[in-house]
Amino acid sequence: GAVVSQHPSRVICKSGTSVKIECRSLDFQATTMFWYRQFPKKSLMLMATSNEGSKATYEQGVEKDKFLINHASLTLSTLTVTSAHPEDSSFYICSASKNNEQFFGPGTRLTVL
Amino acid sequence: DAKTTQPTSMDCAEGRAANLPCNHSTISGNEYVYWYRQIHSQGPQYIIHGLKNNETNEMASLIITEDRKSSTLILPHATLRDTAVYYCIATNTGTYKYIFGTGTRLKVLA
Repeated sequence: GAVVSQHPSRVICKSGTSVKIECRSLDFQATTMFWYRQFPKKSLMLMATSNEGSKATYEQGVEKDKFLINHASLTLSTLTVTSAHPEDSSFYICSASKNNEQFFGPGTRLTVL
Repeated sequence: DAKTTQPTSMDCAEGRAANLPCNHSTISGNEYVYWYRQIHSQGPQYIIHGLKNNETNEMASLIITEDRKSSTLILPHATLRDTAVYYCIATNTGTYKYIFGTGTRLKVLA
């Protein structure tokens, strides 16, 4: 199989703090991972493409200094939401590519108070 | 990536076939059509993909028109657990970024 995990599954933090979300491919290596965010009853919006060993590619309108992405190994990519604010509250989902498919993680629900 | 359009919502009776259409009229020759579904508060789940031939697997069938401008996902015997949002995506391969449209919210009725 091809399993992607995310940690944590749910996080609540205070405004102004930073939150790190991990995305792991458990049984395969992924040179490319993707990060999405999803607001309630809305579709997934691609935030950035994470490439192992190089800088992430951000979609238009996504602040790279706000959403730090690190893809340090072939099985791990991290997304850090810096100085989080209530408007950053969302469902964050990662995916990892294997062959001709993307496998999605279960998502991380971030709530910023 | 090609933009895809899908109906916002559909209902289907349990046990009947669910036919979910997708328009991708600007798809380019090397772009595949992928289908995923998302059950509430979970990550999307892969269903099927194809380039120009019809495809079938244990979950569904994918029918792509000859001009490739539209496709239909068929769930042959829908169950209550098939209630989800279904997304159609046109992209080069699974290693390329996906641009999700609004999807179709399928509700399977008992």
